[in-house]
Amino acid sequence: KAGVTQTPRYLIKTRGQQVTLSCSPISGHRSVSWYQQTPGQGLQFLFEYFSETQRNKGNFPGRFSGRQFSNSRSEMNVSTLELGDSALYLCASSPLDLADTQYFGPGTRLTVL
Amino acid sequence: AQSVAQPEDQVNVAEGNPLTVKCTYSVSGNPYLFWYVQYPNRGLQFLLKYITGDNLVKGSYGFEAEFNKSQTSFHLKKPSALVSDSALYFCAVRGPYSGAGSYQLTFGKGTKLSVIP
Repeated sequence: KAGVTQTPRYLIKTRGQQVTLSCSPISGHRSVSWYQQTPGQGLQFLFEYFSETQRNKGNFPGRFSGRQFSNSRSEMNVSTLELGDSALYLCASSPLDLADTQYFGPGTRLTVL
Repeated sequence: AQSVAQPEDQVNVAEGNPLTVKCTYSVSGNPYLFWYVQYPNRGLQFLLKYITGDNLVKGSYGFEAEFNKSQTSFHLKKPSALVSDSALYFCAVRGPYSGAGSYQLTFGKGTKLSVIP
């Protein structure tokens, strides 16, 4: 099976812009989670989607949003970008829910200038 | 609230020697514990997990982890380190429960493992 894919792999934006990141889970996986990884804060949970519904959300401002489509593909959007949003954004999929193993994609490296 | 601590930011070990990467956790209820590895400019790769059963869990690439309930630890081990094992290692615990059938993973800060030739 193909792994989790994320596009784009690298992105450079300027403050105030918005960005959309995409994630395609492993075939058959219905749960998709997003994490932000920074050197200072480590890995922090953003949100989780299952069957097109957001079931869980971390402590991030409303500028961070996401959605999931009927084919389980997911997107996350960050509006009004700030310098502190520069990070590696990781998507993970799992077969049923977060009780099972999460498999991660390679990430999207976002740089905000 | 659940938490994971990886007390060592960096571990150095000579090639061929045994390695240990430490992890302690705090969680209410039975712990579901995971180890992941991250190579430079890559995502996280799953190594192994403990759900229940034997305290010694075997995983990918020759790694294993020992679950110790009394010490609330889940240390990652490998009998003989390889230079290619050099990477960033993350311990994670499942939780908290969102109440909607969903859990998140809470990660430790990571431990950088350097295997010296």
